[in-house]
Amino acid sequence: DAKTTQPPSMDCAEGRAANLPCNHSTISGNEYVYWYRQIHSQGPQYIIHGLKNNETNEMASLIITEDRKSSTLILPHATLRDTAVYYCIVRLPNSGYALNFGKGTSLLVTP
Amino acid sequence: DAGVTQSPTHLIKTRGQHVTLRCSPISGHKSVSWYQQVLGQGPQFIFQYYEKEERGRGNFPDRFSARQFPNYSSELNVNALLLGDSALYLCASSPGQIPYEQYFGPGTRLTVT
Repeated sequence: DAKTTQPPSMDCAEGRAANLPCNHSTISGNEYVYWYRQIHSQGPQYIIHGLKNNETNEMASLIITEDRKSSTLILPHATLRDTAVYYCIVRLPNSGYALNFGKGTSLLVTP
Repeated sequence: DAGVTQSPTHLIKTRGQHVTLRCSPISGHKSVSWYQQVLGQGPQFIFQYYEKEERGRGNFPDRFSARQFPNYSSELNVNALLLGDSALYLCASSPGQIPYEQYFGPGTRLTVT
């Protein structure tokens, strides 16, 4: 799995968009970008994944640069309940079930 | 529909003892994975089972073992507990062979004294 780099922490005002960056400069052509989050004292929660194109679901949007060396998870209208640790993971979908979580970004949404 | 369930929620054991943690996947999911999360770190992969067979193992000692039952529930066993085994143990289930998404349970908090 390709290595990812995320800022250790970020702040965001409630109601504003939260943009969480992830660098994955060594990503290979078939590796997907996955995002999970972990709210305090809970298990991780799947958010979104993508390969090349931008993706959107009811939770978030994923923007992947054209060279695929970085991506951004966007929470369009952050709420206090979005305060969590966000993990960016890059992997092949058929490389087994192991997810390498790393340390993630601790997002604090403030009133 | 019920999510992934784990039992017990909390557990306190003494060094040298043995512990068994249990996980029930989402109905219809055939894959179960186990992770260990120590305080301040991201979850670390321990085992993955699919259709009752071990399909993956992380870098954990042989004191850690697991199995999956015909109803796809799973047990994680840890022998000869060490203080360093204190952690949140997470179970995740996935619907099929392509693991685009895994669904995690709330975890079992194990404290070894």
